[in-house]
Amino acid sequence: EADIYQTPRYLVIGTGKKITLECSQTMGHDKMYWYQQDPGMELHLIHYSYGVNSTEKGDLSSESTVSRIRTEHFPLTLESARPSHTSQYLCASSESAESDYEQYFGPGTRLTVT
Amino acid sequence: SQQGEEDPQALSIQEGENATMNCSYKTSIINLQWYRQNSGRGLVHLILIRSNEREKHSGRLRVTLDTSKKSSSLLITASRAADTASYFCATGNYGQNFVFGPGTRLSVLP
Repeated sequence: EADIYQTPRYLVIGTGKKITLECSQTMGHDKMYWYQQDPGMELHLIHYSYGVNSTEKGDLSSESTVSRIRTEHFPLTLESARPSHTSQYLCASSESAESDYEQYFGPGTRLTVT
Repeated sequence: SQQGEEDPQALSIQEGENATMNCSYKTSIINLQWYRQNSGRGLVHLILIRSNEREKHSGRLRVTLDTSKKSSSLLITASRAADTASYFCATGNYGQNFVFGPGTRLSVLP
């Protein structure tokens, strides 16, 4: 099992609420990622970070924001949740930005916005 | 447009049979990785094959890469019920993030 954690695992929340999805890794990895995945579908990269104070937008436009104040922590925030945000959110990390390195994934947060 | 695309989308086999999944991609790559995802969980890395390699083995897994056809295949031999999962390929290139395909959903029936 990879040392990367996500909380909560499941979240059901009403429209308009602000939420933060937590992601932490204890492997000291520099690069971290957030993916959005609908059931049975492919992963879409929404945010990534090369290290502390680095945040970049991914290939899929997202209304969420991220921060990277500490190496081990990469939280994702939605200021005002909407039903269209219902999805599974996967956090991942890798030792290096080089693509030769595998990504380690957390268990995911399944978000439902009612 | 997506880089990697797995085929078939879904595959159902009996325990003990072999399962083969394919991944095709569009642009040149430096490596290709295969991941497994159990239902409702995160992805787990299975194997990485570099562009200068043609075949790699890991336990019951065999991966091939044909850069001229821009395709890779993942073979799982003597499948088990525990192999039931979705399998994704991810292509890697210099200075770029991985691009994951839509995955193949494998069901191994006891």
